Amino acid sequence: EDQVTQSPEALRLQEGESSSLNCSYTVSGLRGLFWYRQDPGKGPEFLFTLYSAGEEKEKERLKATLTKKESFLHITAPKPEDSATYLCAAALYSGAGSYQLTFGKGTKLSVIP
Amino acid sequence: GAVVSQHPSRVICKSGTSVKIECRSLDFQATTMFWYRQFPKQSLMLMATSNEGSKATYEQGVEKDKFLINHASLTLSTLTVTSAHPEDSSFYICSARAEQGETQYFGPGTRLLVL
Repeated sequence: EDQVTQSPEALRLQEGESSSLNCSYTVSGLRGLFWYRQDPGKGPEFLFTLYSAGEEKEKERLKATLTKKESFLHITAPKPEDSATYLCAAALYSGAGSYQLTFGKGTKLSVIP
Repeated sequence: GAVVSQHPSRVICKSGTSVKIECRSLDFQATTMFWYRQFPKQSLMLMATSNEGSKATYEQGVEKDKFLINHASLTLSTLTVTSAHPEDSSFYICSARAEQGETQYFGPGTRLLVL
């Protein structure tokens, strides 16, 4: 069974305290690994797509990396506005040229001033 | 770019009534749209996939006669919750994907409360 597992479930950081969020996956036929940010009561906001092991992408204080079994979202010197739930999702081929996303449960990040 | 809108943002209805939710891709043509449901503190669960001009594909356990999906154009998909009951109360989110690529862009979601 295809699974995406995120850890920790919740993370509290002091402003400026760097850390990493983990997303491990056991899927067959991974097409891509996605990271989204979701604020309370809103839809997910696209952050990154990673396609192959060793790939890295950066955006402001965030950097996503990918290995064959997991992905990390590193956050450097976070600010309170980085507080949100971060979701990872595996894109899996679902037939007829289409792909579906299987989401993890997310990591709720709180950055304390 | 890649903006997806949903309407309404929240709706309260009585048990037994039907509710229609619209999902629009504002600046790109979406050959495929997806409908998700999210319960509190849970992740997004895919309900169905719809391609423009064809019938939606529903995930296992999702009643197609209860959750009617219409993808009439490359920029609009609708989800109708028929004869809604309190257990249908949830956060419904759509996403859209262009013909090229796998990235799904999400709408802001619709909060449905059935009394």
